[in-house]
Amino acid sequence: NFMLTQPHSVSESPGKTITISCTRSGGSIVSNYVQWYQQRPGSSPTTVIYEDNQRSSGVPDRFSGSIDSSSNSASLTISGLKTEDEADYYCQSYDRTNWVFGGGTKLTVL
Amino acid sequence: EVQLVESGGGLVQPGRSLRLSCAASGFTFDDYAMHWVRQAPGKGLEWVSGINWSGGGIAYAASVKGRFTISRDNAKRSLYLQMNSLRAEDMALYYCVKGYSGNYASAFDIWGQGAMVTVSS
Repeated sequence: NFMLTQPHSVSESPGKTITISCTRSGGSIVSNYVQWYQQRPGSSPTTVIYEDNQRSSGVPDRFSGSIDSSSNSASLTISGLKTEDEADYYCQSYDRTNWVFGGGTKLTVL
Repeated sequence: EVQLVESGGGLVQPGRSLRLSCAASGFTFDDYAMHWVRQAPGKGLEWVSGINWSGGGIAYAASVKGRFTISRDNAKRSLYLQMNSLRAEDMALYYCVKGYSGNYASAFDIWGQGAMVTVSS
């Protein structure tokens, strides 16, 4: 089995750029696609990025995903931060019939 | 518009059973894999189970294997989760989730609003 580790929380000011990391332990980050989900307070999760770097329908191009094999990690970058981006973000990947989520990162935009 | 509406949640005693349902609309249900994902109060997301488009491919998280059963009825456009021998740690909001394709190894696409399961004596 494998694990995905995310920072517990990050914060940044409106208009700035933030990057949230997701490090895989137990296997290679490039072996299976990584997804990112956004969950605003009191709401269901929504898909932001799928298959490493594909934006889900309706997601602005301020959101981008990438993979770094050297650090065995994936990243979600949000540029031009807006207060509406304040949410929990979860990375996710798959291996041998098992789906795994990272622990989630709380993004505060202040 | 794609919609997933969960039902069947509620309060149940430890050791008892409960069956969740998810009614799908707005897409060709039998073209897509479906999943159940849960979220305990104040906690993160945990994948529970997935089923491919035909029902011929099924997988479970280790924490529920042998106690939970996922199934689908494509004619009724519905997904189910039969939960037996419920434990306190199963208490969570259970989301029905649509996959991006018919294979349950594809990414997750649309999420329902969730059904709350409370396990308590």
